[in-house]
Amino acid sequence: AQSVSQHNHHVILSEAASLELGCNYSYGGTVNLFWYVQYPGQHLQLLLKYFSGDPLVKGIKGFEAEFIKSKFSFNLRKPSVQWSDTAEYFCAVNVGGGGNKLTFGTGTQLKVEL
Amino acid sequence: GAVVSQHPSWVICKSGTSVKIECRSLDFQATTMFWYRQFPKQSLMLMATSNEGSKATYEQGVEKDKFLINHASLTLSTLTVTSAHPEDSSFYICSAYGQGGWNSPLHFGNGTRLTVT
Repeated sequence: AQSVSQHNHHVILSEAASLELGCNYSYGGTVNLFWYVQYPGQHLQLLLKYFSGDPLVKGIKGFEAEFIKSKFSFNLRKPSVQWSDTAEYFCAVNVGGGGNKLTFGTGTQLKVEL
Repeated sequence: GAVVSQHPSWVICKSGTSVKIECRSLDFQATTMFWYRQFPKQSLMLMATSNEGSKATYEQGVEKDKFLINHASLTLSTLTVTSAHPEDSSFYICSAYGQGGWNSPLHFGNGTRLTVT
């Protein structure tokens, strides 16, 4: 079964700092990759997803992620974070080809300080 | 606005009682819904896939007789925690794909915090 690892459990940044959250998965076949965000008191929302094509995908709110197949990674990045980016971020994967089930990482709590 | 509504948002019950959690898709029909469980500081774990008009598919290790799932309509799935015990205390979240099917975003409910005393 596939698994997802997020190495950073808690990240604290100052506004305007750059962000990179790590995500690695274990599965040798075709995968679909996702990043979800959960703002305080809100439900999970999709930030971006990768199915195929350009490995650099852009999502909402200035986020992007790069799929590096050789490293089994899908790191999330943002050049300049804002206080409003404070949230919990989850990486998720499902097996390509029709699988509906998502496997989530343990999440990264990001706190952006003014 | 929310496209998946989950109710209640929190519930406290006594050990041995049963609790029902509802998950509704708003403005779209969901033939498949997913139930997740999240323990503190842990990831979301898929419990089961709820299929409209048929039996739910449970993940390995999830007791189907304890976590009863009913998906009687295209917009409603319910999860009933039967004979709840303190170890069932957790955060339960439902989700459903939008109208585009599994290629569309997965919409999540706000979750239900269950506390069993």
